[in-house]
Amino acid sequence: QVQLQESGPGLVKPSQTLSLTCTVSGGSISSGSYYWSWIRQPAGKGLEWIGRIYTSGSTNYNPSLKSRVTISVDTSKNQFSLKLSSVTAADTAVYYCARQWLEDWFDPWGQGTLVTVSS
Amino acid sequence: QSVLTQPPSVSAAPGQKVTISCSGSSSNIGNNYVSWYQQLPGTAPKLLIYDNNKRPSGIPDRFSGSKSGTSATLGITGLQTGDEADYYCGTWDSSLSYVVFGGGTKLTVL
Repeated sequence: QVQLQESGPGLVKPSQTLSLTCTVSGGSISSGSYYWSWIRQPAGKGLEWIGRIYTSGSTNYNPSLKSRVTISVDTSKNQFSLKLSSVTAADTAVYYCARQWLEDWFDPWGQGTLVTVSS
Repeated sequence: QSVLTQPPSVSAAPGQKVTISCSGSSSNIGNNYVSWYQQLPGTAPKLLIYDNNKRPSGIPDRFSGSKSGTSATLGITGLQTGDEADYYCGTWDSSLSYVVFGGGTKLTVL
């Protein structure tokens, strides 16, 4: 059974770059027609899709974040990563990684990690 | 402001039925599959319905999904207090090639 786990700093200073990694266990990140996504949720608010990557390196990003987002994959480590540059307080949120089937459903999700942007 | 529109909240008594709507457009719901997620307090979202109306293994048949045109609906029958959660719809938007979610609906079981 595939499981995902986010990791990274819980506190980032304004204007700096937020970096998170998602480790996939229980299966290969390269198997099947799956994409690997990042999704975030500010406290008390809804879900916002950030972007995704296929193991070939192909990516899609949310148009509203595209200029600041980079998602990469390391198949040798069974991990994929998120970098969000020039962060502000508005980027404070719980960040989830999730597996996506084609242009369809997300399952499973990681447990989420809270990232706070503050000086 | 979310691309998909959901009611902020719905409520019903235990044992009753509730529906949650999700409205979009031809570039998203109208031409792509809809999925639904349940988010219990303090936890990650969980897949509830996929491909408009299919249930993953382990999801009881009290949960159902449907789609018509540019709208989708989640139905929950035999409400239980454990169903109190936030529910989100999601789909692909073909115009800009990205995932869109509804704003979420908080279900209260009175």
